[in-house]
Amino acid sequence: EAEVAQSPRYKITEKSQAVAFWCDPISGHATLYWYRQILGQGPELLVQFQDESVVDDSQLPKDRFSAERLKGVDSTLKIQPAELGDSAMYLCASSQLAGVLGGELFFGEGSRLTVL
Amino acid sequence: AQTVTQSQPEMSVQEAETVTLSCTYDTSESDYYLFWYKQPPSRQMILVIRQEAYKQQNATENRFSVNFQKAAKSFSLKISDSQLGDAAMYFCAYNPSGTYKYIFGTGTRLKVLA
Repeated sequence: EAEVAQSPRYKITEKSQAVAFWCDPISGHATLYWYRQILGQGPELLVQFQDESVVDDSQLPKDRFSAERLKGVDSTLKIQPAELGDSAMYLCASSQLAGVLGGELFFGEGSRLTVL
Repeated sequence: AQTVTQSQPEMSVQEAETVTLSCTYDTSESDYYLFWYKQPPSRQMILVIRQEAYKQQNATENRFSVNFQKAAKSFSLKISDSQLGDAAMYFCAYNPSGTYKYIFGTGTRLKVLA
């Protein structure tokens, strides 16, 4: 069964360091999302791609976060420099029909970031 | 602003019993989709059930069913014959039709007692 792949599963870093997360969506899924989930809260959208184009990055802290999906397939989310408040689970999700027919989101297992 | 509220941070249910998780949302849209997602510990989030706002009939998926009250903007999830594997965080989500936006609630942690 096709799944959304994310790596690394766990990352511990010191503040002011750079960190990167990778996501490979289900093959054929044009829409890709990065969400941040703070412990005990629901996912909050950071950035959304349609193919290689950014559709919504209004909640992405652009002074330290960047995201790319160069070939419209896999994606990288980078944080530089990391801050203590960035400690969270970073979830990647993909969808084939999002925005058209209320499509199902398929999530990866997430990357848990701890900033010391 | 469009918001999703889950007022029950945690719920417990005895195995084989029935439990209902609550969700309310705020929107001025008339066409949208609602979802319940399940996030087991250390596992990926998966779709439990989906409801289209223009359909009056409540969605059902095996032991899972919803009570969709459009006028009240309420979307509750009923789990019948609860099983140990149902223990997880449950998130309610809202998607305005024709958009890419999905708004999640804060979640309800469901514990299933043997």
